[in-house]
Amino acid sequence: LAKTTQPISMDSYEGQEVNITCSHNNIATNDYITWYQQFPSQGPRFIIQGYKTKVTNEVASLFIPADRKSSTLSLPRVSLSDTAVYYCLVGATGGSYIPTFGRGTSLIVHP
Amino acid sequence: SAVISQKPSRDICQRGTSLTIQCQVDSQVTMMFWYRQQPGQSLTLIATANQGSEATYESGFVIDKFPISRPNLTFSTLTVSNMSPEDSSIYLCSVGEGLVAGYTFGSGTRLTVV
Repeated sequence: LAKTTQPISMDSYEGQEVNITCSHNNIATNDYITWYQQFPSQGPRFIIQGYKTKVTNEVASLFIPADRKSSTLSLPRVSLSDTAVYYCLVGATGGSYIPTFGRGTSLIVHP
Repeated sequence: SAVISQKPSRDICQRGTSLTIQCQVDSQVTMMFWYRQQPGQSLTLIATANQGSEATYESGFVIDKFPISRPNLTFSTLTVSNMSPEDSSIYLCSVGEGLVAGYTFGSGTRLTVV
Protein backbone atom coordinates (compact mmCIF):
# COMPACT_ATOMS: atom_id res chain seq x y z
CA LEU A 1 0.00 0.00 0.00
CA ALA A 2 1.47 3.32 -1.08
CA LYS A 3 2.29 5.62 1.82
CA THR A 4 1.21 9.25 1.50
CA THR A 5 2.68 12.40 3.02
CA GLN A 6 0.78 15.66 3.30
CA PRO A 7 1.30 18.88 5.23
CA ILE A 8 -0.37 18.65 8.62
CA SER A 9 -2.00 22.05 8.35
CA MET A 10 -2.46 25.04 6.04
CA ASP A 11 -3.95 28.48 6.42
CA SER A 12 -5.55 30.59 3.73
CA TYR A 13 -7.91 33.51 3.26
CA GLU A 14 -11.22 33.76 1.55
CA GLY A 15 -11.00 34.12 -2.21
CA GLN A 16 -7.52 32.64 -2.50
CA GLU A 17 -6.56 29.51 -4.38
CA VAL A 18 -5.32 26.71 -2.15
CA ASN A 19 -3.01 23.97 -3.34
CA ILE A 20 -2.42 20.92 -1.14
CA THR A 21 0.33 18.59 -2.27
CA CYS A 22 0.52 14.91 -1.43
CA SER A 23 3.64 12.78 -1.89
CA HIS A 24 3.28 9.12 -2.78
CA ASN A 25 6.69 7.98 -3.95
CA ASN A 26 5.90 4.26 -4.12
CA ILE A 27 2.64 4.52 -6.02
CA ALA A 28 1.92 1.38 -8.04
CA THR A 29 0.93 1.20 -11.68
CA ASN A 30 -2.69 0.30 -10.90
CA ASP A 31 -3.12 2.89 -8.15
CA TYR A 32 -5.49 5.83 -8.38
CA ILE A 33 -5.24 8.98 -6.29
CA THR A 34 -8.34 9.99 -4.38
CA TRP A 35 -9.03 13.00 -2.19
CA TYR A 36 -11.60 13.22 0.57
CA GLN A 37 -12.84 16.18 2.58
CA GLN A 38 -14.02 15.91 6.17
CA PHE A 39 -15.90 18.59 8.07
CA PRO A 40 -16.15 18.45 11.87
CA SER A 41 -18.77 15.99 13.08
CA GLN A 42 -19.18 14.47 9.62
CA GLY A 43 -17.78 11.51 7.75
CA PRO A 44 -15.31 12.03 4.91
CA ARG A 45 -16.74 13.04 1.56
CA PHE A 46 -15.26 12.06 -1.81
CA ILE A 47 -13.95 15.12 -3.68
CA ILE A 48 -12.01 13.96 -6.70
CA GLN A 49 -10.05 11.07 -8.13
CA GLY A 50 -7.45 10.79 -10.87
CA TYR A 51 -4.83 8.59 -12.43
CA LYS A 52 -2.64 11.00 -14.38
CA THR A 53 -2.44 14.54 -15.78
CA LYS A 54 -5.34 16.75 -14.71
CA VAL A 55 -8.86 16.13 -13.51
CA THR A 56 -11.36 18.88 -12.81
CA ASN A 57 -14.86 18.83 -11.37
CA GLU A 58 -17.19 21.40 -9.87
CA VAL A 59 -15.37 21.31 -6.54
CA ALA A 60 -11.64 21.03 -7.26
CA SER A 61 -8.86 20.20 -9.67
CA LEU A 62 -6.32 17.46 -9.28
CA PHE A 63 -2.91 17.77 -10.89
CA ILE A 64 -0.76 14.66 -11.28
CA PRO A 65 2.71 14.90 -12.87
CA ALA A 66 3.98 12.31 -15.31
CA ASP A 67 5.91 10.33 -12.68
CA ARG A 68 2.78 10.20 -10.46
CA LYS A 69 4.91 10.39 -7.31
CA SER A 70 2.92 13.35 -6.08
CA SER A 71 -0.39 15.04 -6.66
CA THR A 72 -1.84 18.47 -5.93
CA LEU A 73 -5.39 19.22 -4.94
CA SER A 74 -6.35 22.71 -6.03
CA LEU A 75 -9.30 24.52 -4.48
CA PRO A 76 -10.15 27.71 -6.39
CA ARG A 77 -11.30 30.78 -4.48
CA VAL A 78 -11.82 29.17 -1.10
CA SER A 79 -14.49 30.30 1.31
CA LEU A 80 -14.90 29.84 5.06
CA SER A 81 -16.94 26.71 4.37
CA ASP A 82 -13.89 25.02 2.85
CA THR A 83 -12.35 24.80 6.32
CA ALA A 84 -11.93 21.05 6.73
CA VAL A 85 -9.45 18.20 6.81
CA TYR A 86 -8.35 16.95 3.39
CA TYR A 87 -7.11 13.40 2.95
CA CYS A 88 -5.07 12.03 0.06
CA LEU A 89 -5.47 8.28 -0.54
CA VAL A 90 -3.69 6.04 -2.99
CA GLY A 91 -4.85 2.59 -4.03
CA ALA A 92 -6.08 0.40 -6.84
CA THR A 93 -9.81 0.68 -7.39
CA GLY A 94 -10.34 -3.02 -7.67
CA GLY A 95 -12.81 -5.03 -5.65
CA SER A 96 -10.38 -5.56 -2.78
CA TYR A 97 -9.48 -1.91 -2.27
CA ILE A 98 -10.18 -0.49 1.17
CA PRO A 99 -9.62 3.21 1.86
CA THR A 100 -6.72 3.73 4.26
CA PHE A 101 -6.41 7.20 5.71
CA GLY A 102 -3.27 9.06 6.68
CA ARG A 103 -3.19 12.13 8.90
CA GLY A 104 -4.67 14.52 6.36
CA THR A 105 -4.21 18.26 5.99
CA SER A 106 -6.21 20.58 8.20
CA LEU A 107 -7.11 23.63 6.12
CA ILE A 108 -8.30 26.74 7.92
CA VAL A 109 -9.74 29.54 5.81
CA HIS A 110 -9.72 32.95 7.45
CA PRO A 111 -12.03 35.88 6.67
CA SER B 1 -23.61 7.30 -4.79
CA ALA B 2 -25.13 5.41 -1.86
CA VAL B 3 -26.83 7.20 1.03
CA ILE B 4 -26.00 5.97 4.52
CA SER B 5 -28.08 6.40 7.65
CA GLN B 6 -26.12 5.79 10.82
CA LYS B 7 -27.67 5.61 14.29
CA PRO B 8 -27.30 6.82 16.94
CA SER B 9 -25.53 10.05 16.04
CA ARG B 10 -24.16 10.32 19.56
CA ASP B 11 -24.41 8.63 22.92
CA ILE B 12 -22.98 8.84 26.40
CA CYS B 13 -22.53 5.43 28.00
CA GLN B 14 -21.42 4.04 31.31
CA ARG B 15 -18.23 2.03 31.42
CA GLY B 16 -18.78 -1.71 31.29
CA THR B 17 -21.87 -1.44 29.11
CA SER B 18 -22.25 -2.08 25.38
CA LEU B 19 -23.54 0.05 22.52
CA THR B 20 -24.76 -1.15 19.15
CA ILE B 21 -24.39 1.19 16.18
CA GLN B 22 -26.56 0.69 13.12
CA CYS B 23 -25.69 1.45 9.51
CA GLN B 24 -28.43 1.39 6.87
CA VAL B 25 -27.67 1.87 3.17
CA ASP B 26 -30.22 2.82 0.53
CA SER B 27 -28.85 0.31 -1.97
CA GLN B 28 -27.32 -3.12 -1.94
CA VAL B 29 -23.58 -3.14 -1.46
CA THR B 30 -21.12 -5.97 -1.21
CA MET B 31 -18.63 -4.47 1.20
CA MET B 32 -19.23 -2.37 4.28
CA PHE B 33 -16.50 -1.00 6.49
CA TRP B 34 -16.34 0.21 10.06
CA TYR B 35 -13.84 2.88 11.09
CA ARG B 36 -12.92 4.55 14.34
CA GLN B 37 -11.74 8.13 14.60
CA GLN B 38 -10.30 9.17 17.93
CA PRO B 39 -10.35 12.84 18.86
CA GLY B 40 -8.11 14.87 16.56
CA GLN B 41 -6.92 11.77 14.74
CA SER B 42 -7.38 10.19 11.36
CA LEU B 43 -9.65 7.26 10.58
CA THR B 44 -8.59 3.75 11.52
CA LEU B 45 -10.22 0.74 9.91
CA ILE B 46 -11.77 -1.63 12.45
CA ALA B 47 -13.16 -4.32 10.18
CA THR B 48 -14.72 -5.20 6.87
CA ALA B 49 -18.24 -6.61 7.02
CA ASN B 50 -19.24 -8.95 4.23
CA GLN B 51 -22.73 -10.35 3.90
CA GLY B 52 -22.92 -14.04 4.63
CA SER B 53 -19.51 -14.38 6.23
CA GLU B 54 -17.71 -13.30 9.35
CA ALA B 55 -16.20 -9.86 9.46
CA THR B 56 -12.51 -9.42 8.79
CA TYR B 57 -10.80 -7.50 11.59
CA GLU B 58 -7.72 -5.33 11.35
CA SER B 59 -4.76 -5.72 13.65
CA GLY B 60 -5.58 -4.47 17.13
CA PHE B 61 -9.32 -5.10 16.87
CA VAL B 62 -11.02 -8.31 17.98
CA ILE B 63 -14.46 -9.77 17.53
CA ASP B 64 -15.16 -10.07 21.24
CA LYS B 65 -14.74 -6.34 21.67
CA PHE B 66 -16.29 -5.20 18.38
CA PRO B 67 -18.78 -7.82 17.19
CA ILE B 68 -20.25 -7.02 13.79
CA SER B 69 -23.36 -8.30 12.10
CA ARG B 70 -24.19 -8.11 8.40
CA PRO B 71 -27.57 -9.79 7.93
CA ASN B 72 -28.16 -8.48 4.40
CA LEU B 73 -26.67 -6.29 1.68
CA THR B 74 -28.09 -3.02 3.04
CA PHE B 75 -27.51 -3.23 6.79
CA SER B 76 -24.77 -3.76 9.35
CA THR B 77 -24.24 -3.21 13.05
CA LEU B 78 -21.13 -2.65 15.12
CA THR B 79 -21.24 -3.29 18.86
CA VAL B 80 -18.71 -1.73 21.19
CA SER B 81 -18.61 -4.13 24.13
CA ASN B 82 -17.60 -3.72 27.76
CA MET B 83 -16.79 -0.08 27.13
CA SER B 84 -14.08 1.91 28.81
CA PRO B 85 -13.25 5.62 28.48
CA GLU B 86 -10.60 4.69 25.91
CA ASP B 87 -13.42 3.66 23.57
CA SER B 88 -14.62 7.25 23.38
CA SER B 89 -14.38 8.00 19.67
CA ILE B 90 -16.37 8.61 16.55
CA TYR B 91 -17.39 5.40 14.81
CA LEU B 92 -18.17 5.54 11.10
CA CYS B 93 -19.49 3.07 8.60
CA SER B 94 -18.59 3.24 4.93
CA VAL B 95 -19.59 1.51 1.75
CA GLY B 96 -17.89 1.22 -1.58
CA GLU B 97 -17.39 -1.09 -4.47
CA GLY B 98 -13.84 -0.14 -5.37
CA LEU B 99 -15.12 1.97 -8.23
CA VAL B 100 -13.83 5.28 -9.43
CA ALA B 101 -16.67 7.16 -7.70
CA GLY B 102 -15.08 6.70 -4.32
CA TYR B 103 -16.47 5.54 -1.04
CA THR B 104 -19.40 6.92 0.95
CA PHE B 105 -19.30 7.45 4.69
CA GLY B 106 -22.01 7.78 7.28
CA SER B 107 -22.09 10.87 9.45
CA GLY B 108 -20.67 8.93 12.37
CA THR B 109 -21.60 8.03 15.94
CA ARG B 110 -19.91 10.12 18.60
CA LEU B 111 -19.46 7.88 21.62
CA THR B 112 -18.47 9.14 25.04
CA VAL B 113 -17.81 6.60 27.78
CA VAL B 114 -17.95 7.87 31.35
